[in-house]
Amino acid sequence: TQLLEQSPQFLSIQEGENLTVYCNSSSVFSSLQWYRQEPGEGPVLLVTVVTGGEVKKLKRLTFQFGDARKDSSLHITAAQPGDTGLYLCAGDNAGKSTFGDGTTLTVKP
Amino acid sequence: GAVVSQHPSWVICKSGTSVKIECRSLDFQATTMFWYRQFPKQSLMLMATSNEGSKATYEQGVEKDKFLINHASLTLSTLTVTSAHPEDSSFYICSASRGSLYEQYFGPGTRLTVT
Repeated sequence: TQLLEQSPQFLSIQEGENLTVYCNSSSVFSSLQWYRQEPGEGPVLLVTVVTGGEVKKLKRLTFQFGDARKDSSLHITAAQPGDTGLYLCAGDNAGKSTFGDGTTLTVKP
Repeated sequence: GAVVSQHPSWVICKSGTSVKIECRSLDFQATTMFWYRQFPKQSLMLMATSNEGSKATYEQGVEKDKFLINHASLTLSTLTVTSAHPEDSSFYICSASRGSLYEQYFGPGTRLTVT
């Protein structure tokens, strides 16, 4: 069974602060996705990383895939209340996605 | 592009009745559709994977006779919760992929409450 552990599980910060969310596994993934989910809605795909060591930026969000393709991080700069939500990482291997437990982020104004 | 809809968005039913949830890919053909269940403040739990025209593959512990999945076309999959009980109350979410299995596009979810 492939497991993806996300940390921290919960994070509450003030507007303007920076934060990093981690997604770790002992398994190697072909690719890894990050999603954000708001209450009562379905997750929305933010990014897919494929190559070990790859870094992708989406405005204030920076995603990195580990060199060995076993872990990933999401860094948010100058967080805003609109960033509040459940962040999920999902690793893909052999056509099957495994979701992490999620990180619930609350950004207070 | 890559919009997925679900219907209904919420439903309340009585114990013992059946409920059907539809999942549609609106602007693309979905090679594979997935059904998830999510409890409050928890991650997604994969229930089953379905490919158009073939039987769904259920995850361990998911009763295939209780959660009937039909994937009749490349744009429509349905989940029927048969003989629903209060413990089936949950948030059900579908997703669809278009060729690249690893990128999933999610529907907005269906909140099921069984009384």
